[in-house]
Amino acid sequence: QKEVEQDPGPLSVPEGAIVSLNCTYSNSAFQYFMWYRQYSRKGPELLMYTYSSGNKEDGRFTAQVDKSSKYISLFIRDSQPSDSATYLCAMSAQNTDKLIFGTGTRLQVFP
Amino acid sequence: NAGVTQTPKFQVLKTGQSMTLQCAQDMNHNSMYWYRQDPGMGLRLIYYSASEGTTDKGEVPNGYNVSRLNKREFSLRLESAAPSQTSVYFCASSEEGFRDQPQHFGDGTRLSIL
Repeated sequence: QKEVEQDPGPLSVPEGAIVSLNCTYSNSAFQYFMWYRQYSRKGPELLMYTYSSGNKEDGRFTAQVDKSSKYISLFIRDSQPSDSATYLCAMSAQNTDKLIFGTGTRLQVFP
Repeated sequence: NAGVTQTPKFQVLKTGQSMTLQCAQDMNHNSMYWYRQDPGMGLRLIYYSASEGTTDKGEVPNGYNVSRLNKREFSLRLESAAPSQTSVYFCASSEEGFRDQPQHFGDGTRLSIL
């Protein structure tokens, strides 16, 4: 079993839809949670970062962490065609030199 | 604003050939990383350098060597390329450590081993 599980998609939605992207994990020691966005033929770029549990909002993006369920989510409101990309979750634990990435979910937003 | 620069962008090698992938960052970051990205496998850490003068193995180090040339540059070497090393290689950097510092990635080197 992988430490981090992420549905590969693709997820195809119309412009303006609310998108929900999710990851589950097995290591209860994870405390740092990140979402990266990766456009085709580009490197990943950090989108959201959350420490421990709770929500964090940045414009159209909201990151949620539910440590009791070992489940993290990224919500995109009013999705745009420019949001079409692969979204990678990543997480790490205190006092460790490891950042574990999910395999990524490919999102397509059509006009 | 260059960020993390990787060269070359594309390369085709024959089995057994050697090559070095170059990476440079201009953000004065202490930590640098090499990942490979394969379909269905996500990003896997090959080697990292927590600071200038130090390097450590990641999840998949076999078949690779690294050199932290100075604070800016971190190179990845394939001594005898194998088809299993066909992948997209990403270099990344962060201010310090993994946990609470965002990693900044280059745009990758697409490497094919025939």
